Amino acid sequence: AAGVIQSPRHLIKEKRETATLKCYPIPRHDTVYWYQQGPGQDPQFLISFYEKMQSDKGSIPDRFSAQQFSDYHSELNMSSLELGDSALYFCASSLEGAEAFFGQGTRLTVV
Amino acid sequence: DAKTTQPTSMDCAEGRAANLPCNHSTISGNEYVYWYRQIHSQGPQYIIHGLKNNETNEMASLIITEDRKSSTLILPHATLRDTAVYYCIVTYRGSTLGRLYFGRGTQLTVWP
Repeated sequence: AAGVIQSPRHLIKEKRETATLKCYPIPRHDTVYWYQQGPGQDPQFLISFYEKMQSDKGSIPDRFSAQQFSDYHSELNMSSLELGDSALYFCASSLEGAEAFFGQGTRLTVV
Repeated sequence: DAKTTQPTSMDCAEGRAANLPCNHSTISGNEYVYWYRQIHSQGPQYIIHGLKNNETNEMASLIITEDRKSSTLILPHATLRDTAVYYCIVTYRGSTLGRLYFGRGTQLTVWP
């Protein structure tokens, strides 16, 4: 069965640079979620989209933005990167508010 | 935001049943109980969910008390690959606000 695809799997950026993470949800899923997991921490909800519209917002910094495109893939854009942004970033998708399925994540390292 | 309470850690012998408890005394009538697990640095994996009745699937069983204030996830025959952090999450289903709040979770260690 198709799963949630995230790219890239690993990313190294310098401070103050910009990063773009991509998420391809399970086909026909209408909702995408983004989570951030810092070292030794639990996943924290950032933002979600339902049918290409932002549906919920968590503790997402103003330097981050996200959108969902017409083909339902989503991108998380992070600007002015800080060392503290180093984390695993997970994308998840669901259909009509049912259980969410997660991708394998993108490990972002800011140096 | 924490709506659930779980033990920090548990261990279990391989081949035995692992019973992971969760307290959710403030659960509202239309909130579901979900269980996810995360094997080290991998994406969280959906296990099972339930509203009122006990549920079983190929991975686990979920027992919810009659008053819905607590539940137990049962892995009937734990294997080494079941070593993970298990999260009990209470949330709404069928809405666009289905964010998951991952609390501290239970680190389950299965030993040979």
